[in-house]
Amino acid sequence: EVQLMESGGGFVRPGGSLRLSCAASGFSFGSYPMNWVRQAPGKGLEWISYINRDGSAAVYADSVKGRFTVSRDNGKNSLYLQMTSLRGEDTAVYYCAKDHEWASDYWGQGTQVTVSS
Amino acid sequence: QSALTQPPSASGSPGQSVTISCTGTNSDIGGYNHVSWYLQHPGKAPKLIIYEVSERPSGVPDRFSGSKSGITASLTVSGLQAEDEADYYCCSFADTDKWVFGGGTKLIVL
Repeated sequence: EVQLMESGGGFVRPGGSLRLSCAASGFSFGSYPMNWVRQAPGKGLEWISYINRDGSAAVYADSVKGRFTVSRDNGKNSLYLQMTSLRGEDTAVYYCAKDHEWASDYWGQGTQVTVSS
Repeated sequence: QSALTQPPSASGSPGQSVTISCTGTNSDIGGYNHVSWYLQHPGKAPKLIIYEVSERPSGVPDRFSGSKSGITASLTVSGLQAEDEADYYCCSFADTDKWVFGGGTKLIVL
C-alpha cells in the first residue's frame, strides 16, 4: 500500500524557516517524481514544487521561488521542503504527492504550517 | 501563472449528471493533454479521479469522465450519488514546466 506521511509543520514567526519531510513507503520511491502542493485555510490547491526522480532537477511556483528548496533522499525514501523567509501567506496545509503521468496519484495527509507574529 | 477558471459551485440531484468546466489558456490546457481532476472531501487529502484529460486511475468509477476542447477541460459526473458531494479541482501542466490548479468547484448533491 502506498503511504506518504508529512511531518515538520508548526508555528513560525514571519521571516522564519521550517523544514518539512515526507516519508514514503509501499512503492519504489526513487522511480517517481514528487510534488509539493499546499492549501491555505478555506482556499483551493496551489502547486508549489516538483522534483524529478533522482533529485537533479526541480521547479517551483513563482510564489515560493528563491525561498523554498525541494530535495529528496532516495536511500531514505524521503522528500523534503526547506522553507525560508516565511510569510503570512505561506500559512497552509502542505501535502506531498507522488507523480503519475503528469498528475499526483497519491497524497499524504498534510502538515499544517502557520506563519504569524 | 494564473489559476484555471472553474465555477464556484455546481449541483444536481441523485442519479443526474453534472458537468464542471475548467478554462485555461493556450499556455496550459490548450497546449498540453496533461489535465487532471481531483476531488476533496472536507478535512481530507485530495484524490485523483482523472489524469491525462480522460484517463481514470484504477478503482475510480466510470461515472467520472473527462474531456477537453481547446482551452477548456470538463469533468462529468454521471449517476450522482450522495458521496460525490465534494470540492473538485482541475489541474494542468503549463509552460515553463509548472502546474496550475483551478480555484475549485463545490459540487452539491440536492
